[in-house]
This record gives sequence, C-alpha cells and structure tokens, in this order.
Amino acid sequence: DVQMTQFPSSLSASVGDRVTITCRASQATGSSLAWYQQKAGEAPKLLIYGTSTLHSGVPSRFSGSASGTDFTLTINSLQPEDVATYYCQNYNPGPLPFGGGTKVEIK
Amino acid sequence: EVQLVESGGGLVQPGGSLRLSCTASGFRFGDYAMHWVRQVPGKGLEWVSGIIWNGHIKAYADSVKGRFTTSRDNAKNSLYLEMNSLRSEDTALYFCAKDSEGSNWHYFDSWGQGTLVTVSS
Repeated sequence: DVQMTQFPSSLSASVGDRVTITCRASQATGSSLAWYQQKAGEAPKLLIYGTSTLHSGVPSRFSGSASGTDFTLTINSLQPEDVATYYCQNYNPGPLPFGGGTKVEIK
Repeated sequence: EVQLVESGGGLVQPGGSLRLSCTASGFRFGDYAMHWVRQVPGKGLEWVSGIIWNGHIKAYADSVKGRFTTSRDNAKNSLYLEMNSLRSEDTALYFCAKDSEGSNWHYFDSWGQGTLVTVSS
C-alpha cells in the first residue's frame, strides 16, 4: 500500500510569505493527489485535486505541483485566513491514505 | 448546495456496537461513491471506509476490517457505518465525505461536520 509522508509537521511564517508543504509517496502514484485544508473546529475542505487543479472557489495563491513521488502545496503570499492544518491524500488506488498534516501558523 | 449530516455518535463501552448515519442532500446521492473518515481529536485524518454508488464495492482500512461495515440506501439518500467490537482506539470524530466520482475512488469534494464516537468504560 502507498504511504504518504508529509513535512514539515508545522511551520510559522509571516503574512505575505511563500509557504511550501511537501508530501512524499512511498511509491509511484501518478497524479492522483489531493490537498485539503482544515481550520480549527471545522471539517476539511478540498483545495486541490489531480496534483495541481484548484477546486472551485479556492484562491489562486494556492498551487500544487509534483516531481517524481514528491508533491508540493505552495501558498504564495500567506494570508491570516490561511491559518489551518493541511493534508495531502493519495486517492487512486486505495486505500486512500492521508499525510500526517502540516499546521500553518502566522508568525 | 451539498449537505452531509452525520448522526449516531455517542458514548459506548469497549466491545460494544454503534451505527452511524449520514444523510445527504443537494446532489444526486445515488451517483456518487461515499466515504467515512475519522479523526482522533487533535490528530490527523484517517480514511476508514468507502462504498461505490451502487454498494457493490466496499473497501476498509486494515484497522477496522472485519469489525466495521459500510452500507448505503440510495432511496433514503443515506450512508451508514455499522461499528462492532469497538475499541478505545476507535474514539474519534467520524466524518462522512462525498467522492467526486461514482464507481471508483477519487478525491473528496464535500464533507460533513462529523459525529463524535467515544469508546470508554
């Protein structure tokens, strides 16, 4: 089964900074990678699917990319409303593992 | 607007059983696969189970295989999770999530707010 290793587990950055989160798959998985944002006390929300396609309504400062088995979520110009925990997920094939999460805070 | 509302959570003793429900609205429920995802408070997300649109294919995480059963009733726009032989490590917030496709696993484009299951004596 594919396992997803996400890092860093937490980060603190200033408003306006560029933030990068990485998810490494244990084996080749194609482009079936999604990113979710979960704010405190809320359900997760889909941000990106297919490695780099933004879900409807997601601000363009979010972007996704891949290099081999490394998948990256980038937030260009971090905003206060981006404070959240971010999770990656490989969704094809199963068993649909999530990464461990990255908590993003404002410095 | 897609809405997913979970119910059925509560306090149960180790070894006990519980049945969770998820009622869907705002989309053609019978066209999409559905999933259960859980989260221990303060911890990460764990996919629990998935079921395709017609219920003919189901999948489970190893941690719940043989103890949990997922089912659906498309006429009632409802998803269910029957949980047996519950353990303390099953304590978590259980989310219902809508798949973006019907007959295979894809990303989850809508989530409910979750129902809390606590396994304790």
